[in-house]
Formats: sequence, C-alpha cells, structure tokens
Amino acid sequence: GAGVSQSPSNKVTEKGKDVELRCDPISGHTALYWYRQSLGQGLEFLIYFQGNSAPDKSGLPSDRFSAERTGGSVSTLTIQRTQQEDSAVYLCASSSGVYLNTEAFFGQGTRLTVV
Amino acid sequence: GDSVTQMEGPVTLSEEAFLTINCTYTATGYPSLFWYVQYPGEGLQLLLKATKADDKGSNKGFEATYRKETTSFHLEKGSVQVSDSAVYFCALGGSGGSYIPTFGRGTSLIVHP
Repeated sequence: GAGVSQSPSNKVTEKGKDVELRCDPISGHTALYWYRQSLGQGLEFLIYFQGNSAPDKSGLPSDRFSAERTGGSVSTLTIQRTQQEDSAVYLCASSSGVYLNTEAFFGQGTRLTVV
Repeated sequence: GDSVTQMEGPVTLSEEAFLTINCTYTATGYPSLFWYVQYPGEGLQLLLKATKADDKGSNKGFEATYRKETTSFHLEKGSVQVSDSAVYFCALGGSGGSYIPTFGRGTSLIVHP
C-alpha cells in the first residue's frame, strides 16, 4: 500500500489475555520501529528492525513484550498477559533507513485498552 | 543518551497569532532534527526537517532553524489558523551510530477562531 498500515485500529482486551498487533510497512523500507504513546507522554521507543540484522529490543518494557518481522516486511508486536498499564496507542513506523536524516512514516496506530 | 525537551502545552492561541514552540535537545554526534505533526485522529506526519547546523526547515508556513550553539530547534509560524490545531512533536534522528529517532513529549496547539 501507499502508507504504513496497522491493524486492528482499536483493541479492547481483558487483563491477562495476550494480544497481537500488526504492522505493514511501506514496501521497500528496510527499517521498522514500534513506539508506544501514552496519554500525556511522548513516544516511547520499543523495538527497531533493520533489514536482516538482529533487532534492537532495548526499549521493550518487560519480557511480556516481543516482536517479530517476517520476510523483512510485516511485523507483529505481541503482548502476553496484558496489564492495565499496557493501555496505550501503539505506533509503527518505517523508513528507508539508509541515512541518518531519513524521515519515519507512521501508521495511524492501534489503541489498546486493557480492562 | 539522546533526549528532546519541548515546552509543555496546551498552547492556546487566537487565529492569526504568532506561534513559537520551543524545543531543545541533547545528543551525541550531529543528528538531523525533525518536527512531526499529529492532527486529531491521524498518525504522525513529517512537518519539516533540518539536517545540519544553521539549516532552516520550512513547510506550510512553519519554520525551524537548527541551532547547534543553543542545541535548539524552535518551531515558529507567523499567523496560525484553526486548521493548525494539532499535537507537534520535536524529534532527533539517529546519532552516534544509532538509527533510532528520539521524540519529545509533544505540544498540543489549540487555535480559536
């Protein structure tokens, strides 16, 4: 597609359930990022994929969070045993990642609500 | 590590007023600097960028100048419109060998007719 696509756009889940969030980056973009946006907070970096290199997982807040990127394209962020503090908007972005001055293109996000 | 500090919002202005949103940063190396905008119900999109010291980024009447001496990248617009109401994020591109952009907390702008 023309832009970064995320699904679902909204997700309500019960505490303790697992959730999967999907991101389709722009075709040909080698870099893919996941961020979390909480109310009144900035964008919190979660994980970064670049081509076939090992991902940078330094932003994942706990071992309940994991992500994978298949075939260098689609990415899935998985949150196991969700907690109420996981409620936030999860944003995916992609970029060509070739130079340090490349912009990131964002999806519209998945709003996760844990009840 | 790298960080971005933005003025807290919300910033509330009348239409045609002058806008400044302050942004300062700390970084290793010499990152590119960005302003992103998030309109209600939409994703973040690039507003403007500057890649080196003294560069001025501009778009849609907004401007920001990369000031290395003051480590700042303040966003300005001479005459705001109601349609400019949004959340504005200042960001660093990757630096020091990292490709991970760092974002500020965002500043909400509300423009009244």
